Amino acid sequence: AQSVTQLDSQVPVFEEAPVELRCNYSSSVSVYLFWYVQYPNQGLQLLLKYLSGSTLVKGINGFEAEFNKSQTSFHLRKPSVHISDTAEYFCAVTTNQAGTALIFGKGTTLSVSS
Amino acid sequence: DTGVSQDPRHKITKRGQNVTFRCDPISEHNRLYWYRQTLGQGPEFLTYFQNEAQLEKSRLLSDRFSAERPKGSFSTLEIQRTEQGDSAMYLCASSLSGGGTEAFFGQGTRLTVV
Repeated sequence: AQSVTQLDSQVPVFEEAPVELRCNYSSSVSVYLFWYVQYPNQGLQLLLKYLSGSTLVKGINGFEAEFNKSQTSFHLRKPSVHISDTAEYFCAVTTNQAGTALIFGKGTTLSVSS
Repeated sequence: DTGVSQDPRHKITKRGQNVTFRCDPISEHNRLYWYRQTLGQGPEFLTYFQNEAQLEKSRLLSDRFSAERPKGSFSTLEIQRTEQGDSAMYLCASSLSGGGTEAFFGQGTRLTVV
């Protein structure tokens, strides 16, 4: 079975500062990894995903993430955050095996202040 | 197609009553997921359909919960004899089959059991 651990439940940062949201996963088979964002009172929206190939993936709104197989990590980064990035961020994992569900971490609340 | 839709958006029910939620996925998507999300937590996987077949069920899905997807289109999630602990946001998502495809989420149904 797969699992996801988001290492920080809350990350407060100032506007224009860089940010990293950490995600570790566990799986005995090859994985696909995702980051979703949930703005207040809205549904989940895909930020980016890693399927294969380049370990650095770029997503929407200037976010990027790096897949590190040896560390079993998929950390999300943004070089300069905006107030509008304040939201809940979820890391998720699935596999290419038939019938595998998408499993989420508990989430990281990113709070950007001026 | 306007995306994944869920109905109702909000439901308040008395303890012990039965409730049923509906999810209409994106029309060409053959995978459909149900998740439960409580405050401050990530979406917890409940169950998953590929077309009309229910392929996986979480341990969280007690015998009071049942989900169906007749004809592989819309899905319903029924909770019988609701308990206060069932209060949560119930999320539906759909995707195409194949590893790594993006899951698109609905806005959710917020259930409050009083």
